[in-house]
Amino acid sequence: EVQLVESGGGLVQPGGSLRLSCAASGFTFSSYWMSWVRQAPGKGLEWVANIKQDGSEKYYVDSVKGRFTISRDNAKNSLYLQVNSLRAEDTAVYYCARRVGYCTSTSCYMAEWGQGTLVTVSS
Amino acid sequence: QSALTQPASVSGSPGQSITISCTGTSSDVGGYNYVSWYQQHPGKAPKLMIYDVSNRPSGVSNRFSGSKSGNTASLTISGLQAEDEADYYCSSYTSSSTHVFGTGTKVTVL
Repeated sequence: EVQLVESGGGLVQPGGSLRLSCAASGFTFSSYWMSWVRQAPGKGLEWVANIKQDGSEKYYVDSVKGRFTISRDNAKNSLYLQVNSLRAEDTAVYYCARRVGYCTSTSCYMAEWGQGTLVTVSS
Repeated sequence: QSALTQPASVSGSPGQSITISCTGTSSDVGGYNYVSWYQQHPGKAPKLMIYDVSNRPSGVSNRFSGSKSGNTASLTISGLQAEDEADYYCSSYTSSSTHVFGTGTKVTVL
């Protein structure tokens, strides 16, 4: 059974930083693209970032470029999101998800999601 | 990276069928057969319901079906049940190698 467990969220002041983690199990972590998706309180889902199996390709939504960094450690079956220069509008539950498919010639979807970790940016 | 457009709410009586639309552009929905749909109950993580436009994951009821025409994708729920009351989001891969979600639709079972 695929399991994704996020951690690292919390209350942080504007301009602050956090490192979010996602522990993966139940599948061969190194074989899949991984994603971060966030959801502000009472709002819809917003895709944040993707990372390729070996970390060689990373993509971000425009609003976080230059402030957020996605990374992974395949030896530890872990996904990370370093969030810097946080703003009030970054307040959200952050989910990690296993992405299936290469999105160019095969499938492309987020198959399983973790329960999320809440990041609150406030003074 | 504008969100895909979905109706804010759709409702139906038990047993009825409802359809949720998801409108994008030729750079996302219209350009790829990579539209997926997610169900989210309050306080829970999203759950995959349809992938690659019309495929159902194992364990998802066959009452859920997906389709696409041009820049608009659709999710149909037939034989509506009380447990289907939730928020639904579409998502598409884009020409920028990113993903975009829809604005979300609240489904109410009357």
